[in-house]
Amino acid sequence: QQPVQSPQAVILREGEDAVINCSSSKALYSVHWYRQKHGEAPVFLMILLKGGEQKGHDKISASFNEKKQQSSLYLTASQLSYSGTYFCGTEATNFGNEKLTFGTGTRLTIIP
Amino acid sequence: NAGVTQTPKFRILKIGQSMTLQCTQDMNHNYMYWYRQDPGMGLKLIYYSVGAGITDKGEVPNGYNVSRSTTEDFPLRLELAAPSQTSVYFCATEYGMNTEAFFGQGTRLTVV
Repeated sequence: QQPVQSPQAVILREGEDAVINCSSSKALYSVHWYRQKHGEAPVFLMILLKGGEQKGHDKISASFNEKKQQSSLYLTASQLSYSGTYFCGTEATNFGNEKLTFGTGTRLTIIP
Repeated sequence: NAGVTQTPKFRILKIGQSMTLQCTQDMNHNYMYWYRQDPGMGLKLIYYSVGAGITDKGEVPNGYNVSRSTTEDFPLRLELAAPSQTSVYFCATEYGMNTEAFFGQGTRLTVV
């Protein structure tokens, strides 16, 4: 079962902040985040492992709460280059069910 | 290193025809995946493999078959193509669980 992302789409002006949420019905070991530009393949942003860690680089960061089976991606002071569709990917904890399953996607549009 | 290579990049098939989408990687990754992405939608897992000789179904396996005889190659076979299989197909690899996934550039398939 795919993880669920929210919102499905968001439009921001340059400089505004965005939060994208990802939730799963399964116990998770890790959450991945990827960005896909139109007509291109998804590109890796970061991976978070269970333990409630947070990660970030530049103005993009993320958190992972494995008890709630949720992750959030934070984009601060958004730039035009942040436009694209963001996907979370999840890997479950139960051995023998190792597979990377992606969420439904969040389309982010940044306007000048 | 070439990374993950998919061929062909584009293909038009007639209903009922068959074809094989090729995916080759030179990163010695154990995990390989096939996803399909319908226009404006997320990535749905078709099949995956955790190593040579091991394959398993994902969320949408009907109408497809795979094999993994070597670490490098993970071909996806479409038998009796149907219009519902019109999509962009992505191959992805991971070294192991909870590691960064690398995507091929995709194969855009149209069934008419």
